[in-house]
Amino acid sequence: DGGITQSPKYLFRKEGQNVTLSCEQNLNHDAMYWYRQDPGQGLRLIYYSQIVNDFQKGDIAEGYSVSREKKESFPLTVTSAQKNPTAFYLCASSNAGMANEKLFFGSGTQLSVL
Amino acid sequence: DAKTTQPPSMDCAEGRAANLPCNHSTISGNEYVYWYRQIHSQGPQYIIHGLKNNETNEMASLIITEDRKSSTLILPHATLRDTAVYYCIALLYNTDKLIFGTGTRLQVFP
Repeated sequence: DGGITQSPKYLFRKEGQNVTLSCEQNLNHDAMYWYRQDPGQGLRLIYYSQIVNDFQKGDIAEGYSVSREKKESFPLTVTSAQKNPTAFYLCASSNAGMANEKLFFGSGTQLSVL
Repeated sequence: DAKTTQPPSMDCAEGRAANLPCNHSTISGNEYVYWYRQIHSQGPQYIIHGLKNNETNEMASLIITEDRKSSTLILPHATLRDTAVYYCIALLYNTDKLIFGTGTRLQVFP
Protein backbone atom coordinates (compact mmCIF):
# COMPACT_ATOMS: atom_id res chain seq x y z
CA ASP A 1 0.00 0.00 0.00
CA GLY A 2 1.21 3.52 -0.72
CA GLY A 3 1.67 5.85 2.19
CA ILE A 4 3.89 7.40 4.80
CA THR A 5 5.48 5.36 7.54
CA GLN A 6 6.74 6.91 10.75
CA SER A 7 8.74 5.00 13.29
CA PRO A 8 8.88 4.39 16.13
CA LYS A 9 5.36 5.08 17.36
CA TYR A 10 6.68 5.86 20.86
CA LEU A 11 10.15 7.13 21.72
CA PHE A 12 11.80 8.09 24.96
CA ARG A 13 14.73 10.45 25.27
CA LYS A 14 17.15 10.88 28.13
CA GLU A 15 18.53 14.25 29.11
CA GLY A 16 21.30 15.39 26.75
CA GLN A 17 20.55 12.69 24.20
CA ASN A 18 19.92 13.11 20.50
CA VAL A 19 17.16 10.99 19.00
CA THR A 20 16.12 10.47 15.38
CA LEU A 21 12.59 10.00 14.12
CA SER A 22 12.14 8.13 10.89
CA CYS A 23 9.80 9.10 8.04
CA GLU A 24 9.55 7.12 4.81
CA GLN A 25 7.12 7.57 1.92
CA ASN A 26 6.47 5.50 -1.19
CA LEU A 27 4.13 7.99 -2.85
CA ASN A 28 6.88 9.41 -5.06
CA HIS A 29 6.21 12.83 -3.56
CA ASP A 30 8.80 15.57 -3.94
CA ALA A 31 7.92 17.55 -0.82
CA MET A 32 8.12 16.35 2.78
CA TYR A 33 7.34 18.10 6.07
CA TRP A 34 7.79 17.74 9.81
CA TYR A 35 5.25 19.14 12.26
CA ARG A 36 5.16 19.23 16.03
CA GLN A 37 1.91 19.05 18.00
CA ASP A 38 1.58 19.81 21.71
CA PRO A 39 -1.50 18.68 23.67
CA GLY A 40 -4.61 20.62 22.72
CA GLN A 41 -2.70 22.66 20.15
CA GLY A 42 -2.52 22.81 16.39
CA LEU A 43 0.44 21.68 14.30
CA ARG A 44 3.59 23.78 14.05
CA LEU A 45 5.99 23.43 11.16
CA ILE A 46 9.56 22.43 12.05
CA TYR A 47 11.28 21.79 8.71
CA TYR A 48 10.26 21.10 5.14
CA SER A 49 11.94 19.91 1.98
CA GLN A 50 10.77 20.48 -1.58
CA ILE A 51 13.51 18.45 -3.26
CA VAL A 52 16.30 16.02 -2.46
CA ASN A 53 19.35 17.59 -0.78
CA ASP A 54 17.48 20.77 0.04
CA PHE A 55 15.37 21.79 3.03
CA GLN A 56 14.13 24.94 4.77
CA LYS A 57 13.42 25.91 8.34
CA GLY A 58 9.84 26.20 9.44
CA ASP A 59 8.54 28.24 12.35
CA ILE A 60 10.18 26.25 15.19
CA ALA A 61 13.39 24.77 13.77
CA GLU A 62 15.65 25.51 16.75
CA GLY A 63 16.88 22.32 18.42
CA TYR A 64 16.04 20.15 15.42
CA SER A 65 17.93 18.98 12.35
CA VAL A 66 16.94 17.12 9.18
CA SER A 67 18.45 15.56 6.10
CA ARG A 68 17.03 14.70 2.69
CA GLU A 69 19.50 12.38 1.01
CA LYS A 70 16.80 10.29 -0.67
CA LYS A 71 13.45 11.29 -2.10
CA GLU A 72 11.56 8.79 0.01
CA SER A 73 13.20 9.57 3.36
CA PHE A 74 13.19 12.66 5.61
CA PRO A 75 14.51 11.83 9.10
CA LEU A 76 14.20 14.34 11.94
CA THR A 77 16.80 14.54 14.72
CA VAL A 78 15.75 16.06 18.00
CA THR A 79 18.99 17.36 19.51
CA SER A 80 19.92 18.01 23.11
CA ALA A 81 19.49 21.71 22.35
CA GLN A 82 15.73 21.18 22.20
CA LYS A 83 14.86 21.75 25.86
CA ASN A 84 11.20 20.81 25.65
CA PRO A 85 11.01 17.92 23.17
CA THR A 86 7.98 16.12 24.58
CA ALA A 87 5.36 16.28 21.83
CA PHE A 88 3.61 14.39 19.05
CA TYR A 89 5.62 14.58 15.82
CA LEU A 90 3.96 14.26 12.43
CA CYS A 91 5.57 13.78 9.03
CA ALA A 92 3.76 14.61 5.81
CA SER A 93 4.38 14.63 2.09
CA SER A 94 2.88 16.14 -1.05
CA ASN A 95 3.61 16.65 -4.71
CA ALA A 96 5.97 19.53 -5.39
CA GLY A 97 4.49 22.89 -4.52
CA MET A 98 1.49 23.44 -2.29
CA ALA A 99 -0.96 24.92 -4.73
CA ASN A 100 -3.95 22.68 -5.16
CA GLU A 101 -2.13 19.75 -3.57
CA LYS A 102 -3.08 17.87 -0.46
CA LEU A 103 -0.81 16.66 2.31
CA PHE A 104 -0.61 13.02 3.28
CA PHE A 105 0.31 12.42 6.91
CA GLY A 106 1.96 9.58 8.76
CA SER A 107 0.52 8.20 11.99
CA GLY A 108 2.95 10.13 14.18
CA THR A 109 5.63 9.54 16.81
CA GLN A 110 5.05 10.40 20.47
CA LEU A 111 8.34 11.56 21.99
CA SER A 112 8.71 11.75 25.76
CA VAL A 113 11.59 12.76 28.01
CA LEU A 114 12.66 10.38 30.75
CA ASP B 1 -1.32 33.24 4.70
CA ALA B 2 -4.72 34.51 5.73
CA LYS B 3 -5.63 33.95 9.36
CA THR B 4 -8.62 31.69 9.92
CA THR B 5 -10.97 31.71 12.88
CA GLN B 6 -13.00 28.70 13.99
CA PRO B 7 -15.16 27.98 17.04
CA PRO B 8 -13.23 25.83 19.51
CA SER B 9 -15.91 23.15 19.79
CA MET B 10 -19.26 21.96 18.41
CA ASP B 11 -21.70 19.11 19.04
CA CYS B 12 -23.78 17.24 16.49
CA ALA B 13 -26.31 14.42 16.77
CA GLU B 14 -25.54 11.26 14.86
CA GLY B 15 -27.27 11.21 11.46
CA ARG B 16 -27.70 14.96 11.35
CA ALA B 17 -25.70 17.37 9.22
CA ALA B 18 -22.66 18.93 10.86
CA ASN B 19 -21.97 22.48 9.69
CA LEU B 20 -18.53 23.75 10.67
CA PRO B 21 -17.92 27.45 10.07
CA CYS B 22 -14.65 29.20 9.31
CA ASN B 23 -13.93 32.91 9.01
CA HIS B 24 -11.08 34.04 6.78
CA SER B 25 -11.88 37.74 6.33
CA THR B 26 -8.36 38.63 5.15
CA ILE B 27 -8.19 36.01 2.44
CA SER B 28 -6.83 37.16 -0.89
CA GLY B 29 -8.01 36.23 -4.34
CA ASN B 30 -5.53 33.43 -4.90
CA GLU B 31 -5.75 31.74 -1.52
CA TYR B 32 -7.35 28.32 -1.36
CA VAL B 33 -9.38 27.17 1.61
CA TYR B 34 -8.41 23.69 2.82
CA TRP B 35 -10.08 21.48 5.40
CA TYR B 36 -8.36 18.66 7.28
CA ARG B 37 -9.47 16.62 10.26
CA GLN B 38 -7.51 14.85 12.97
CA ILE B 39 -8.84 11.96 14.94
CA HIS B 40 -7.18 11.63 18.33
CA SER B 41 -3.51 10.63 18.19
CA GLN B 42 -3.52 10.17 14.42
CA GLY B 43 -2.18 12.22 11.52
CA PRO B 44 -4.52 14.78 9.95
CA GLN B 45 -6.60 13.62 7.02
CA TYR B 46 -7.40 15.75 3.99
CA ILE B 47 -11.11 16.40 3.50
CA ILE B 48 -11.67 18.98 0.78
CA HIS B 49 -10.45 22.29 -0.62
CA GLY B 50 -11.73 25.09 -2.84
CA LEU B 51 -10.99 28.51 -4.23
CA LYS B 52 -14.24 30.21 -5.25
CA ASN B 53 -16.84 27.64 -6.14
CA ASN B 54 -18.60 25.27 -3.82
CA GLU B 55 -17.09 21.81 -3.80
CA THR B 56 -18.37 18.36 -2.96
CA ASN B 57 -16.70 15.00 -2.64
CA GLU B 58 -17.46 11.69 -1.00
CA MET B 59 -16.59 13.02 2.44
CA ALA B 60 -18.09 16.49 2.62
CA SER B 61 -19.24 19.68 0.95
CA LEU B 62 -17.52 23.04 1.10
CA ILE B 63 -19.58 26.19 0.79
CA ILE B 64 -17.60 29.41 0.23
CA THR B 65 -19.38 32.75 0.46
CA GLU B 66 -19.37 34.99 -2.57
CA ASP B 67 -17.03 37.50 -0.90
CA ARG B 68 -14.81 34.56 0.14
CA LYS B 69 -14.54 35.85 3.70
CA SER B 70 -16.01 32.72 5.21
CA SER B 71 -16.76 29.11 4.44
CA THR B 72 -18.66 26.17 5.88
CA LEU B 73 -17.72 22.52 5.85
CA ILE B 74 -20.77 20.28 5.77
CA LEU B 75 -20.76 16.64 6.80
CA PRO B 76 -24.21 15.64 5.51
CA HIS B 77 -24.88 12.68 7.82
CA ALA B 78 -22.50 12.75 10.77
CA THR B 79 -21.45 9.47 12.36
CA LEU B 80 -19.65 8.75 15.60
CA ARG B 81 -16.48 8.20 13.57
CA ASP B 82 -16.61 11.84 12.46
CA THR B 83 -15.69 12.94 15.99
CA ALA B 84 -12.40 14.77 15.45
CA VAL B 85 -10.69 18.15 15.35
CA TYR B 86 -11.41 19.94 12.08
CA TYR B 87 -8.88 22.44 10.73
CA CYS B 88 -9.66 25.20 8.25
CA ILE B 89 -6.61 26.64 6.50
CA ALA B 90 -6.29 29.41 3.94
CA LEU B 91 -3.36 28.65 1.69
CA LEU B 92 -1.68 31.03 -0.69
CA TYR B 93 -1.22 29.61 -4.15
CA ASN B 94 2.28 28.23 -4.61
CA THR B 95 3.48 28.67 -1.04
CA ASP B 96 5.67 26.10 0.57
CA LYS B 97 3.97 25.53 3.85
CA LEU B 98 0.62 24.75 5.39
CA ILE B 99 -0.13 26.48 8.69
CA PHE B 100 -2.62 24.84 11.04
CA GLY B 101 -4.56 26.65 13.77
CA THR B 102 -6.22 25.02 16.77
CA GLY B 103 -9.33 23.97 14.81
CA THR B 104 -12.85 22.99 15.91
CA ARG B 105 -13.37 19.93 18.05
CA LEU B 106 -16.53 18.23 16.73
CA GLN B 107 -18.24 15.80 19.05
CA VAL B 108 -20.86 13.56 17.43
CA PHE B 109 -23.22 12.02 19.98
CA PRO B 110 -25.68 9.10 19.65
